[in-house]
Amino acid sequence: GQNIDQPTEMTATEGAIVQINCTYQTSGFNGLFWYQQHAGEAPTFLSYNVLDGLEEKGRFSSFLSRSKGYSYLLLKELQMKDSASYLCAVRRQTGANNLFFGTGTRLTVIP
Amino acid sequence: KAGVTQTPRYLIKTRGQQVTLSCSPISGHRSVSWYQQTPGQGLQFLFEYFSETQRNKGNFPGRFSGRQFSNSRSEMNVSTLELGDSALYLCASSGNSGQHYEQYFGPGTRLTVT
Repeated sequence: GQNIDQPTEMTATEGAIVQINCTYQTSGFNGLFWYQQHAGEAPTFLSYNVLDGLEEKGRFSSFLSRSKGYSYLLLKELQMKDSASYLCAVRRQTGANNLFFGTGTRLTVIP
Repeated sequence: KAGVTQTPRYLIKTRGQQVTLSCSPISGHRSVSWYQQTPGQGLQFLFEYFSETQRNKGNFPGRFSGRQFSNSRSEMNVSTLELGDSALYLCASSGNSGQHYEQYFGPGTRLTVT
């Protein structure tokens, strides 16, 4: 079967670092995306990985291991505004914009 | 550059009715994808249109259909509405299909079926 697993909820402290894990089993793989979604708002793009390794973008970094079917999103210097859902999504084939999403991780940042 | 727009933002319908939702992509974007978001299932892919052609389709019943116009605007239609169709319907536009361009999501249409 096809599946993307993420923790349902996480809580972290302002100023800390948090790692959100994502494991996937899909029939194809052509890249992994991370999106951020605040309550009541549209998802916004955070990062894209298609090759193994770490991609860094400001306070956010994303890692991919294709052999392990594993990715993580690392958020540094957490701010209250980072409280949101973080969605892991896989593009399973080339020539397609039909992302396969996990159910998301709701992150709460506390003072 | 204006973002993705969706109309209407909120809709209440009765079981058995049909509904049409509209999505206007970012100017210049030719790919429009539709997703259904529910608390239990998360975001699920409905279909993708590129240059007025359906390129991909998810695992939804035939009651869900869509189309794309020459100006890249897209509509999706749900016929014979069921209570389980209550959800947030999101569309996303992309600069090209087949490339790793990010998808830009619209604010969504919140559909409630009573």
